[in-house]
Amino acid sequence: AQKVTQAQTEISVVEKEDVTLDCVYETRDTTYYLFWYKQPPSGELVFLIRRNSFDEQNEISGRYSWNFQKSTSSFNFTITASQVVDSAVYFCALSEAWNTGNQFYFGTGTSLTVIP
Amino acid sequence: NAGVTQTPKFQVLKTGQSMTLQCAQDMNHEYMSWYRQDPGMGLRLIHYSVGAGITDQGEVPNGYNVSRSTTEDFPLRLLSAAPSQTSVYFCASSYEGAQNSPLHFGNGTRLTVT
Repeated sequence: AQKVTQAQTEISVVEKEDVTLDCVYETRDTTYYLFWYKQPPSGELVFLIRRNSFDEQNEISGRYSWNFQKSTSSFNFTITASQVVDSAVYFCALSEAWNTGNQFYFGTGTSLTVIP
Repeated sequence: NAGVTQTPKFQVLKTGQSMTLQCAQDMNHEYMSWYRQDPGMGLRLIHYSVGAGITDQGEVPNGYNVSRSTTEDFPLRLLSAAPSQTSVYFCASSYEGAQNSPLHFGNGTRLTVT
């Protein structure tokens, strides 16, 4: 079973629109960590944010915000007033505290296209 | 700082050929790992190492070997390339045993096996 599900394969929005990328995870661990990475067309993977399972406080960083809800096992990512530079593939990932191999479980990614 | 450096950036192999993908990091990270990225499958862990001299298998280790003789380097070897190994390979590092530590990725190696 997928530990991290990103149901949205591709999303297109017009510049300045808001967009939310969904991430649903599955774990039996009580301590775990959630991450978002961005992969622009150039191909590198850029770390965006980390969230601990015991901290459900939402976070805002500029145009980016993250909504973590343990009750629904979701860690959604919203971009406000999208820009063309936001066009990328976005990956959500899960790391479990018991896993000494430090394996990250990645979703299949959501490809975001921002149309000028 | 260079961070995580991978070479080569692109490689084409014929079935049965062998090669080594190089990975080096200059952040003194104990933990290093290799992932492969395939369309519709996200990134999957191939092998990892928690320190020099220590390696272990990840989710998809078949067909790949690794070694870790120094903290800085973690090469990935394909002994006999197969078309199923066509993929983009990422090396990543982080602080040892810190599951909350984000992975720092190299820029990837795009491998095609014909």
